Amino acid sequence: QKEVEQDPGPLSVPEGAIVSLNCTYSNSAFQYFMWYRQYSRKGPELLMYTYSSGNKEDGRFTAQVDKSSKYISLFIRDSQPSDSATYLCAMSGMGAQKLVFGQGTRLTINP
Amino acid sequence: EAGVTQSPTHLIKTRGQQATLRCSPISGHTSVYWYQQALGLGLQFLLWYDEGEERNRGNFPPRFSGRQFPNYSSELNVNALELEDSALYLCASSLARDSATDTQYFGPGTRLTVL
Repeated sequence: QKEVEQDPGPLSVPEGAIVSLNCTYSNSAFQYFMWYRQYSRKGPELLMYTYSSGNKEDGRFTAQVDKSSKYISLFIRDSQPSDSATYLCAMSGMGAQKLVFGQGTRLTINP
Repeated sequence: EAGVTQSPTHLIKTRGQQATLRCSPISGHTSVYWYQQALGLGLQFLLWYDEGEERNRGNFPPRFSGRQFPNYSSELNVNALELEDSALYLCASSLARDSATDTQYFGPGTRLTVL
């Protein structure tokens, strides 16, 4: 079993839709949770960063962490064609310094 | 501010050869991380260097090695290349090693193809 599971998709939605992306994990030591966005032929860029459980909002993006269920989510409101990319969840434990990534979900927003 | 840079962009090698990939971190960053992104496997942690020393290593064979130079740039060496080493190799840098919360910023990657 992988430490982090993420549905690879692909996921295709119309412009303006609300998108929900999810990851589950098995390692209860994970404390830090991140979402990266990766455009084709580019390196990942950090979108959201959350410590422990709770919600964090940044513009159209909301990250949720539920440590009791070992489940994290990223919501994208009013999705735009420019949001089309692969979204990767990542997490790490205290002092571990290495990020453990999900497989990535390929998202397409159709105009 | 310049981001993380990597060279070369593409690298084509044959089985059994050695590959050397290079990374320059963001100015002021002392930690450098290497990840492998193989098709269908996601990003997997390879190596972490800080202040010139290897601090952590992922589950990869010893033919994957590297080093960090006094200017904090880094090299990843892959010896005795195998076909399954074909992947995008990503380098990331962060400000300090003392905090697990420190953000890792990624470069554009080097696409290694082994024929």
